[in-house]
Amino acid sequence: TQLLEQSPQFLSIQEGENLTVYCNSSSVFSSLQWYRQEPGEGPVLLVTVVTGGEVKKLKRLTFQFGDARKDSSLHITAAQPGDTGLYLCAGIPGSGNTGKLIFGQGTTLQVKP
Amino acid sequence: GAGVSQTPSNKVTEKGKYVELRCDPISGHTALYWYRQSLGQGPEFLIYFQGTGAADDSGLPNDRFFAVRPEGSVSTLKIQRTERGDSAVYLCASSSTGGGGYTFGSGTRLTVV
Repeated sequence: TQLLEQSPQFLSIQEGENLTVYCNSSSVFSSLQWYRQEPGEGPVLLVTVVTGGEVKKLKRLTFQFGDARKDSSLHITAAQPGDTGLYLCAGIPGSGNTGKLIFGQGTTLQVKP
Repeated sequence: GAGVSQTPSNKVTEKGKYVELRCDPISGHTALYWYRQSLGQGPEFLIYFQGTGAADDSGLPNDRFFAVRPEGSVSTLKIQRTERGDSAVYLCASSSTGGGGYTFGSGTRLTVV
């Protein structure tokens, strides 16, 4: 069974602080996706990383895929209250393109003004 | 349509009853996925369709759960003899190719009383 472990599960910080969310597995994933979800809504795709060592930036968010394609991280610089939400990593296991996404447990982020 | 549409948005049913949850994917998306999500947790994979056929149904918890996609577009998730443990948000997603970026609907919140 391929598992994605996210940490921390809950994070409460002040506006302006930096934070990093980790997504780890003992399995290899062909790609990793990061989603953000707000209450009552479905997850919204933020980014997809496919190459080991890849780094992608989306404004104040930086995403990295581990060299071995087993882990990923999301770093937020100068967090804003609008960043509050549930952050989910998800991966397609193995080297194929089966379409079945495995999700981590999620990280609930609260940014206080 | 512009997005993935799920109906109903909320469903309350009595234990033992039968329910159907509907998903209207983005027009032209060949892949369709069903997930189940508990509060504050990551979505749990149920089943994945490529066209009309179920490419992977390994996440269906038991034979009370069944899903169809007869014309390769709209899908229906069917739950027989509902139990209180089935209470969750059921999410549907679609993508243009298996493994591509997913677009999620807002989900159906199912409550079994």
